Amino acid sequence: DVKVTQSSRYLVKRTGEKVFLECVQDMDHENMFWYRQDPGLGLRLIYFSYDVKMKEKGDIPEGYSVSREKKERFSLILESASTNQTSMYLCATARGGRTDTQYFGPGTRLTVL
Amino acid sequence: GDSVTQMEGPVTLSEEAFLTINCTYTATGYPSLFWYVQYPGEGLQLLLKATKADDKGSNKGFEATYRKETTSFHLEKGSVQVSDSAVYFCALTEGGNTPLVFGKGTRLSVIA
Repeated sequence: DVKVTQSSRYLVKRTGEKVFLECVQDMDHENMFWYRQDPGLGLRLIYFSYDVKMKEKGDIPEGYSVSREKKERFSLILESASTNQTSMYLCATARGGRTDTQYFGPGTRLTVL
Repeated sequence: GDSVTQMEGPVTLSEEAFLTINCTYTATGYPSLFWYVQYPGEGLQLLLKATKADDKGSNKGFEATYRKETTSFHLEKGSVQVSDSAVYFCALTEGGNTPLVFGKGTRLSVIA
């Protein structure tokens, strides 16, 4: 079974704080993704990575950065958290390829006060 | 660019009712199509998929057929249960290193 874990289920931070969200997978997948999920907007892709040290911007990268130093770990960084970044953050992984399934972590619900 | 449109929810059904959730897509090539489900408090998990035209994906009593002529991938189930209450997402990918493109999700509530 593929396992995708996220560092926290719930997180509360203050405006201006630097926030790290971590995702770890145990399946040796090349591709990893960060999404945010908001009511009425569905899932929106923030960043993804198809290899170690590689990253690509998704649809809404502003205010975020990422790091992938090891294949199994993909971190999302909010340099200076703002209240409009209050959301559910979902990490996913995939081996890659047109028919491949994405596997999701349980999500981190971040509240920025 | 590619896009997925699915019916707005919420959808409320009685147990044993027939379910259809509509999904249509726009893509430049020949995408693979997916339905993901999100149960309360959890991440998304794959429900079913189809990778070429006329393929039918099925799982847990749910079915969807890849219709290239109508660019659709509607989700159906003949008899829903309370445990099917969740948010359902239609998605596509054209493969390689391109990410999934998701619809906005449809919340289904099944009442006993």
